[in-house]
Amino acid sequence: AQSVTQPDIHITVSEGASLELRCNYSYGATPYLFWYVQSPGQGLQLLLKYFSGDTLVQGIKGFEAEFKRSQSSFNLRKPSVHWSDAAEYFCAVGAIWDNAGNMLTFGGGTRLMVKP
Amino acid sequence: DAGVIQSPRHEVTEMGQEVTLRCKPISGHDYLFWYRQTMMRGLELLIYFNNNVPIDDSGMPEDRFSAKMPNASFSTLKIQPSEPRDSAVYFCASSPLGRRGGYTFGSGTRLTVV
Repeated sequence: AQSVTQPDIHITVSEGASLELRCNYSYGATPYLFWYVQSPGQGLQLLLKYFSGDTLVQGIKGFEAEFKRSQSSFNLRKPSVHWSDAAEYFCAVGAIWDNAGNMLTFGGGTRLMVKP
Repeated sequence: DAGVIQSPRHEVTEMGQEVTLRCKPISGHDYLFWYRQTMMRGLELLIYFNNNVPIDDSGMPEDRFSAKMPNASFSTLKIQPSEPRDSAVYFCASSPLGRRGGYTFGSGTRLTVV
């Protein structure tokens, strides 16, 4: 069975600083990887996804993530954080079942706080 | 597309009452998921449907919880009777067929049982 670990429960960065959120996964085959963001009082919104090809993927809101198979990681990055990025971030790994659909396993989330 | 629509956004009810949460998935999506989110337990998958058929309900906490999907455009999650420990945010998500779908989440229903 697949699993996802987000080692950092809380992270605080200053506005304008760079950001990296860590995600490690366990899965026996080629994973499908996702990052979601949840703003307060909102549902989860897809930031970006990786399926194959270029290991550096670009997403919305200036985020990017890099897939590193050797490290079983899919870390999320942003070069300059804005106050509006304060939210909770979830990494997820997708598995294939019955050759269709996506069963996603979510990590525990990382709450990002941004200092002015 | 209006996205996944959940109602109500907020629900406050007394212990012992029946609660019904509603979800309208994105048209054409084959999969529908119900999640519960709490501070203590994070995001938990309760049940999911494929083409209106419940596939896995192993995450449903107790017999007090039930879910239905009478057609492709509507699903309900019912709690009867409700208890204070059911207080949480309940999310519905839908996904198209195929590996690359990912999930689209609704805005959630915040349930408070007093």
